[in-house]
Amino acid sequence: AQRVTQPEKLLSVFKGAPVELKCNYSYSGSPELFWYVQYSRQRLQLLLRHISRESIKGFTADLNKGETSFHLKKPFAQEEDSAMYYCALSGPNQAGTALIFGKGTTLSVSS
Amino acid sequence: DAMVIQNPRYQVTQFGKPVTLSCSQTLNHNVMYWYQQKSSQAPKLLFHYYDKDFNNEADTPDNFQSRRPNTSFCFLDIRSPGLGDAAMYLCATSVNSGGDTQYFGPGTRLTVL
Repeated sequence: AQRVTQPEKLLSVFKGAPVELKCNYSYSGSPELFWYVQYSRQRLQLLLRHISRESIKGFTADLNKGETSFHLKKPFAQEEDSAMYYCALSGPNQAGTALIFGKGTTLSVSS
Repeated sequence: DAMVIQNPRYQVTQFGKPVTLSCSQTLNHNVMYWYQQKSSQAPKLLFHYYDKDFNNEADTPDNFQSRRPNTSFCFLDIRSPGLGDAAMYLCATSVNSGGDTQYFGPGTRLTVL
C-alpha cells in the first residue's frame, strides 16, 4: 500500500538549532517525493521536490531509497520557519496521478 | 496573479442540506483536485479531473460529487452533509500529473449543524 509516515506531530527547536523533519514512505516503484508547507493563515504550497535537488529557504531533502526516507533538513532554524510541514508522494509522472500526504509535522522555532 | 480561488471561505450548512463548494483557477492547468482535510489529519484526496476525465478515489463516499463545466471551474457537491463531513475542503491544480507541483486554494471550511 502507498503510505507516507511522518512520525513526529510536533517538533520544537530553538532558533539557530538544526532541524530534521522525518518522512518515511511505502511505495512499490519509484515515487516522486515532495515537501509541502503551510505557514500560519496561508495556503498549502510546495517547498521542494526530490527531483529538483535544490535548497529552498535553506531546506534540503535527500531521497534515500534504501531506507525509503525523505527527511527534510535545515542546519540553522529561523523563527519564520515555524509552520506545518507535509511530506507527500506521487507515482510516476502519469496523467492525473495524485498526491498522498503524510499527517504533517508542526515545526515550532522559538528564540 | 494567476491563482486558485475557492468560494466561499467559510460555509455553514444544516445536516442533510445539500451544499456546493466552488473552485476556480486562472492557471489553465489540466488537473483539478478536491481534498478533504479534517482537524489534525492529512489532506485526503476525494477525486480529481484530468481535463474532463473524472477520477474518483475508491473510498470517496457517494455523497460527494463533482462537476467541472470548463477548464477554469470545478465544483464539489455534498448531497446530504453529515456531521462527519465537517472539514476543510482544499482545491488544487497541476499542469498534468501529481508529479507536477500542485497549487492549492485557501480552502473552504465547512461546518455542519
